[in-house]
Amino acid sequence: EDKVVQSPLSLVVHEGDTVTLNCSYEVTNFRSLLWYKQEKKAPTFLFMLTSSGIEKKSGRLSSILDKKELFSILNITATQTGDSAIYLCAWGAMKTSYDKVIFGPGTSLSVIP
Amino acid sequence: GAVVSQHPSRVICKSGTSVKIECRSLDFQATTMFWYRQFPKQSLMLMATSNEGSKATYEQGVEKDKFLINHASLTLSTLTVTSAHPEDSSFYICSARGNTDTQYFGPGTRLTVL
Repeated sequence: EDKVVQSPLSLVVHEGDTVTLNCSYEVTNFRSLLWYKQEKKAPTFLFMLTSSGIEKKSGRLSSILDKKELFSILNITATQTGDSAIYLCAWGAMKTSYDKVIFGPGTSLSVIP
Repeated sequence: GAVVSQHPSRVICKSGTSVKIECRSLDFQATTMFWYRQFPKQSLMLMATSNEGSKATYEQGVEKDKFLINHASLTLSTLTVTSAHPEDSSFYICSARGNTDTQYFGPGTRLTVL
């Protein structure tokens, strides 16, 4: 059965710290990896990764994928209180006649002043 | 771009009634839409996948007769919770996908069944 694991499940850091969030997976027919940030409402898209070793960056956030070792990381540098959220990773898996995306349990990040 | 709306954002209903939730892609054509539910402090649980013009594919354990999904056009999908009960109270989120794997989420609908 396809599975997505995230670690840690929760994390508390101080403003200015750098954090690394982990996502590993066991899925068949991998297509893509997606990272989302969820605050009070629905998730907002951060990154989509399809190729190993190519880092994607957006401001203080960056992410990279390792398809051989089956994991991805999301880095946040110089954290701010506004980074407090649940970070979800999701794997796009192609199965039978339709594609679906499998979400991990999420990492709850709290950034304290 | 890539905006998805949901309506209503919040609904309270009596047990036994049916509730319809709409999901619209506002600025792109969504070949596939997904419906999720999320309980407090838990991750998104995929309920069903719908492709425009065809029947929805439900995940294991999700009752298709209870959660009716219609994807009548490339910009609209609806989820109807039939004969709702208190245990159906949850946060329902739709997402829409166009030509890439990126899913764009709607703002969610908070359903409370009394």
